[in-house]
Amino acid sequence: QLQLQESGAGLLRPSQTLSLNCVVSGGSVNSGANSWSWIRQAPGKGLQFIAYIYRNGIPFYNPSLKSRATISLDTSKNQFSLRLTSLTAADTAVYYCVSMNIVATTADSWGQGAQVTVSS
Amino acid sequence: QSALTQPPSASGSPGQSVTISCTGTSGDIGSYNYVSWYQQHPGKAPKLMIYEVNKRPSGVPDRFSGSKSGNTASLTVSGLQAEDESNYYCSSYAGSNNFLVFGGGTKLTVL
Repeated sequence: QLQLQESGAGLLRPSQTLSLNCVVSGGSVNSGANSWSWIRQAPGKGLQFIAYIYRNGIPFYNPSLKSRATISLDTSKNQFSLRLTSLTAADTAVYYCVSMNIVATTADSWGQGAQVTVSS
Repeated sequence: QSALTQPPSASGSPGQSVTISCTGTSGDIGSYNYVSWYQQHPGKAPKLMIYEVNKRPSGVPDRFSGSKSGNTASLTVSGLQAEDESNYYCSSYAGSNNFLVFGGGTKLTVL
């Protein structure tokens, strides 16, 4: 069974860049059975898809975040990552790394979440 | 503002059935059979309960079922149990431009 664990984040200042990593165990990010994504949840709010990536390294982004987000895959470390630039308070959220089905329509397994707070 | 519309709350007594709706558009729920439902207990990560409208992952009780009609999807929980009290979110594929959209969530209370 896949397990995902986020690292990074914490307290950041406005205009800074967020960097998050997600280590995958119990499977390979190079597997043809999964895609890999980031989904976030602002305090008291619903879920928002950020981006996903296939094993071939081709990314897909939420249009509303595309200009600021970068998702990448590191097969040597069996992990994937998210960078989000030009942070504002609106980016304060719990960020989840998620494994998805191959067509990225179903979020199968979730990490425990990483709290990111943007405040001056 | 979430792309999919869910009622903020729902409730039922133990043993009863409750249905939660999720309304989208012809650009998401109405066009694709890629509706999922997630259960999220406070402070925890979401858990997949239903995928592709009405399929249950291994380990999810058959008390949970999904359906879709037009632009609206539904999650039904039969034989309510105390542990079903949680927040439930729907999602749908919305095409290659918008990709995956979510509802705002429904808090299910077991009375």
